[in-house]
Amino acid sequence: AQSVTQPDIHITVSEGASLELRCNYSYGATPYLFWYVQSPGQGLQLLLKYFSGDTLVQGIKGFEAEFKRSQSSFNLRKPSVHWSDAAEYFCAVFTGGGNKLTFGTGTQLKVEL
Amino acid sequence: DTAVSQTPKYLVTQMGNDKSIKCEQNLGHDTMYWYKQDSKKFLKIMFSYNNKELIINETVPNRFSPKSPDKAHLNLHINSLELGDSAVYFCASSPLFSSNYGYTFGSGTRLTVV
Repeated sequence: AQSVTQPDIHITVSEGASLELRCNYSYGATPYLFWYVQSPGQGLQLLLKYFSGDTLVQGIKGFEAEFKRSQSSFNLRKPSVHWSDAAEYFCAVFTGGGNKLTFGTGTQLKVEL
Repeated sequence: DTAVSQTPKYLVTQMGNDKSIKCEQNLGHDTMYWYKQDSKKFLKIMFSYNNKELIINETVPNRFSPKSPDKAHLNLHINSLELGDSAVYFCASSPLFSSNYGYTFGSGTRLTVV
C-alpha cells in the first residue's frame, strides 16, 4: 500500500541552524508528494508540493524539498531556522483512487533560542 | 475571508450525546473531506465527498455520519459519543483532480468527550 514514513518523531535545532526533516515514501508510480506544517492549535498549511519536473521544489517560508527517486525520499530543508518554525511537520502522498491524501506520522520541531 | 471554516472550534460534551460539526468552503472546490487527528497527532481520513456524493468511507463507526447538502458544505454528525471520539477533526477541500494541488484545511474542531 502507498505510504509515507517520517523516521524522526522529534527534532530539536538551534535558531539559525539548518534543518532537514526526513520523509520516505512507498509508491509504485510517480508519487505526488506534499509537506504540510501545523502550528500549535492551528490547521495544516501547505508548504510545498512535488508532482513532476524539477526535483528541487521551493515552498513558502523559505522551505525547500528535494525528490530523490533512487532513495524514495522527499526531505524538507531550510538553511536557517527561525523560532517561529517550531511546529509539527507532515509529509503526505497522494494515493489517488478518490483523491486520498495519506499522511506520515509527523515530526515535531523544537527550536532552541 | 476564511477559505475552509469549521464550527465550532471547541466542543466539550458528555458521553452518549449527539453532536455535529459544520464545515463550509468558499473556494469553489468539488471535493471535501473529514480527517481525524488523534492525541499522537496521527491524521487519518474518514470521509470524502465529491459534489455531494460519498466517494471515500474509511473504516469508521457508523455512529459517524457525514452529510453534504451542497458541494460547499460537509457536516459531520456523531451519535452516542464515546470517550475514544475525543480528537481534533479537520475538514478539507480540493479540486476534483487534486493530485497536483493538495488540500486546503480548516483550522480544526477539538472535540472532548467527558
